[in-house]
Amino acid sequence: DSGVTQTPKHLITATGQRVTLRCSPRSGDLSVYWYQQSLDQGLQFLIQYYNGEERAKGNILERFSAQQFPDLHSELNLSSLELGDSALYFCASSVAGDDYEQYFGPGTRLTVT
Amino acid sequence: GQNIDQPTEMTATEGAIVQINCTYQTSGFNGLFWYQQHAGEAPTFLSYNVLDGLEEKGRFSSFLSRSKGYSYLLLKELQMKDSASYLCAHGREGYGQNFVFGPGTRLSVLP
Repeated sequence: DSGVTQTPKHLITATGQRVTLRCSPRSGDLSVYWYQQSLDQGLQFLIQYYNGEERAKGNILERFSAQQFPDLHSELNLSSLELGDSALYFCASSVAGDDYEQYFGPGTRLTVT
Repeated sequence: GQNIDQPTEMTATEGAIVQINCTYQTSGFNGLFWYQQHAGEAPTFLSYNVLDGLEEKGRFSSFLSRSKGYSYLLLKELQMKDSASYLCAHGREGYGQNFVFGPGTRLSVLP
């Protein structure tokens, strides 16, 4: 158990809908990272927040957005969902903004039908 | 641009040694990382190299050559529980940790 929690574990929704994934980092960690893992694309970095501020941005679609709240939990919002958005979404956390060792949560499996 | 290549699959025998190679191209380099991921589970951190050379950590070692854009992960005394995917990733130079992951190498350890 890494200490990072993610909810929900599974999510099934229809195309065009909007969902919110939630992540709570390990106690004391200030950075949160979001990743998408699909069979054909592998693990893709989406975005990083550090102490409430966006720190780094990867291959995140405009339909997706994220934020980190004052209590350091983070949410990833996915809207206008498409079939291709079906994937495992991982959240990871680290102590500071430039740590190389990240602790991954168990992931949320999103299925878009 | 950025590109990371790894073999898709490898097979080895319990007790043996296996080397998983990773080559990368990047316009900015900020360290080379290896993660282990068992099927259906989250990745877990294995190693980090930022300077050339070998880093040893128990049964696992990782090597980096920045001039060649090359790294390998060496697993010794293989155990059945080492059957997993091994992901090579590099950090991008700049602010924060913008990781680029390779496709992963699925290792099967046979008895």
